[in-house]
Amino acid sequence: GNSVTQMEGPVTLSEEAFLTINCTYTATGYPSLFWYVQYPGEGLQLLLKATKADDKGSNKGFEATYRKETTSFHLEKGSVQVSDSAVYFCALSPNQGGKLIFGQGTELSVKP
Amino acid sequence: DTGVSQDPRHKITKRGQNVTFRCDPISEHNRLYWYRQTLGQGPEFLTYFQNEAQLEKSRLLSDRFSAERPKGSFSTLEIQRTEQGDSAMYLCASSLDGPLGYTFGSGTRLTVV
Repeated sequence: GNSVTQMEGPVTLSEEAFLTINCTYTATGYPSLFWYVQYPGEGLQLLLKATKADDKGSNKGFEATYRKETTSFHLEKGSVQVSDSAVYFCALSPNQGGKLIFGQGTELSVKP
Repeated sequence: DTGVSQDPRHKITKRGQNVTFRCDPISEHNRLYWYRQTLGQGPEFLTYFQNEAQLEKSRLLSDRFSAERPKGSFSTLEIQRTEQGDSAMYLCASSLDGPLGYTFGSGTRLTVV
């Protein structure tokens, strides 16, 4: 079946630290991969996406590369800010129908 | 365009009562999705529509749940005979091109007491 596994949180970092949130997936075929972010009190927002192997999605200083050989889509940012504090969800879409399968989420807290 | 709207934002109901939620998608979006999110978990897919046709329904969705999108615009999600385990945030999303262009609503938080 299709599933997504994320590293457990919470993750606590100091401002300007390097961020990695691990995400691995299981899927049949060639899914599209996504990172969504949920800021406190707000709805889910798409952060970045990749639709095929070796694609790199990027947005707001965040990056993730679709690695088919390791079935991974790890989220990285070189220098986090307090405003990046949020819950991050990795997700896949197994087909063109468009349903998303989410991981359990990783809470990030950035301290000044 | 005001995005995806969900109503109500919060609903408290007694066990055994029926509840209905409404979702108004972005007007030009032909696909509409429902998800359920419990505390500390990622959203779980429930069902989706393309225009007025319900194309997929999760096995998680018991017979007490039903969704409609009668004219291919707004959608309703009804839960009959609510149980405490139904307490969750119910999220609606719409898109024009499948998974690549989702917009989520802010959700309806259901509490069953």
